[in-house]
Amino acid sequence: NAGVTQTPKFQVLKTGQSMTLQCAQDMNHNSMYWYRQDPGMGLRLIYYSASEGTTDKGEVPNGYNVSRLNKREFSLRLESAAPSQTSVYFCASSQGVGGETDTQYFGPGTRLTVL
Amino acid sequence: AQSVSQHNHHVILSEAASLELGCNYSYGGTVNLFWYVQYPGQHLQLLLKYFSGDPLVKGIKGFEAEFIKSKFSFNLRKPSVQWSDTAEYFCAVNGRGNKLVFGAGTILRVKS
Repeated sequence: NAGVTQTPKFQVLKTGQSMTLQCAQDMNHNSMYWYRQDPGMGLRLIYYSASEGTTDKGEVPNGYNVSRLNKREFSLRLESAAPSQTSVYFCASSQGVGGETDTQYFGPGTRLTVL
Repeated sequence: AQSVSQHNHHVILSEAASLELGCNYSYGGTVNLFWYVQYPGQHLQLLLKYFSGDPLVKGIKGFEAEFIKSKFSFNLRKPSVQWSDTAEYFCAVNGRGNKLVFGAGTILRVKS
C-alpha cells in the first residue's frame, strides 16, 4: 500500500494563477482532509470530506475549493492564488465517516510558493 | 470552540536527557487526544493516542503521555531522548462533534 499520495511535491505560482493539488489514498478510507501548515501555527483544516459525495468547510476555507472525485481521490483547487496561500499542504485520510476517534494518515505534503 | 496550546515552540536537549512537552486544550466535553510527530523531510505520523481508560498512554519509540482531565493537559514524555528523536511534535484534540484541532507544534532538537 502506498497510503496517501500527493502531487505535486513542489509548485511555484504567480499571483492570480490557478492550480489543483491532487490527493489519493489506497486504504479504502471514508474520510479525507486537506490541511495547510504554516510556521508557528500548526496544521489548520481547510476542507474535509466525511464520505464520498460530501464536502464541508474547515477552519480556513476561503480561497479554496475541493472535489471528492470518488472514494480514493480528494483534490484541492486554488482558483486565483495569493501570496498568503504560500504554505505546505497536507492531505490526510481516516477510516471512519468523520469519526472522532479515528487516526488520520497523512500524505507527504505539497510545498506551494505564490510569488 | 476547541483550542490547543503547546507551551514551547523550540526545545533543545542533549542525548539521554529527559523530555516533557506540554499540551493543554480547551474543551469542556469528552475529548480524544493525539500526539503526532513529523521527522525532518517526512510526513506526520501518529505517536500515540488516548480515547478512554488508563490515562497513561504508551506509544511508539518509548514515548508516553498522561491525560490529566482536571488540568486539561496531555503532556508527552520520554525518559531518555536520542538524536533520532529530533522532529516537530504536534498535540491534537478532537472533541465530540468537532474536527481535529492541532497545536502550533514543538520543534525538538537533540544534540549528539
